[in-house]
Amino acid sequence: GENVEQHPSTLSVQEGDSAVIKCTYSDSASNYFPWYKQELGKGPQLIIDIRSNVGEKKDQRIAVTLNKTAKHFSLHITETQPEDSAVYFCAAPEYSSASKIIFGSGTRLSIRP
Amino acid sequence: DGGITQSPKYLFRKEGQNVTLSCEQNLNHDAMYWYRQDPGQGLRLIYYSQIVNDFQKGDIAEGYSVSREKKESFPLTVTSAQKNPTAFYLCASSSIAGGQETQYFGPGTRLLVL
Repeated sequence: GENVEQHPSTLSVQEGDSAVIKCTYSDSASNYFPWYKQELGKGPQLIIDIRSNVGEKKDQRIAVTLNKTAKHFSLHITETQPEDSAVYFCAAPEYSSASKIIFGSGTRLSIRP
Repeated sequence: DGGITQSPKYLFRKEGQNVTLSCEQNLNHDAMYWYRQDPGQGLRLIYYSQIVNDFQKGDIAEGYSVSREKKESFPLTVTSAQKNPTAFYLCASSSIAGGQETQYFGPGTRLLVL
């Protein structure tokens, strides 16, 4: 089945700097990669996703890059702000079951003022 | 307002008691999911349903049960057989089943054992 690894588990950056979170996956058939943001005590919210027919996707300060050859994808947040502090999860589909997505273990991002 | 609602926000369980967590969606989604989240950890799949009157076990189904009698509702029962039920429970839905479909999450229910 699919295995998704996420690094780092914690990340602290100065406000205004960039943050990068990386994920690797194992199933070469995977072709959809969402990123979720979870604030304390709340459900995860989709912030951006990418499909395998593109290598990069941007939405304002957030971007995701995908390298299918190396089987890894990354979340980039530029000009970080205090409200970016949260736990971020990557995910990838598991094709053996046809109906599941597998989540990474999460990255706790802290923005220092 | 379209979305997924979960109730209650907090739930307390006594030893030997079954409790039921509610999940309702008005997004007209076919597929619904239940996840368990432990502190500082990722999401683990308990059960999922691709269509009304059908559901499948996820990775950690032991001690849990579900039903899917209506498209918009997917309640989760935590039975007394679940020996370590304290966790944050998240319900999600997607337009159709499949790993390529975006899952949308509810606000969660925190279950605590008395």
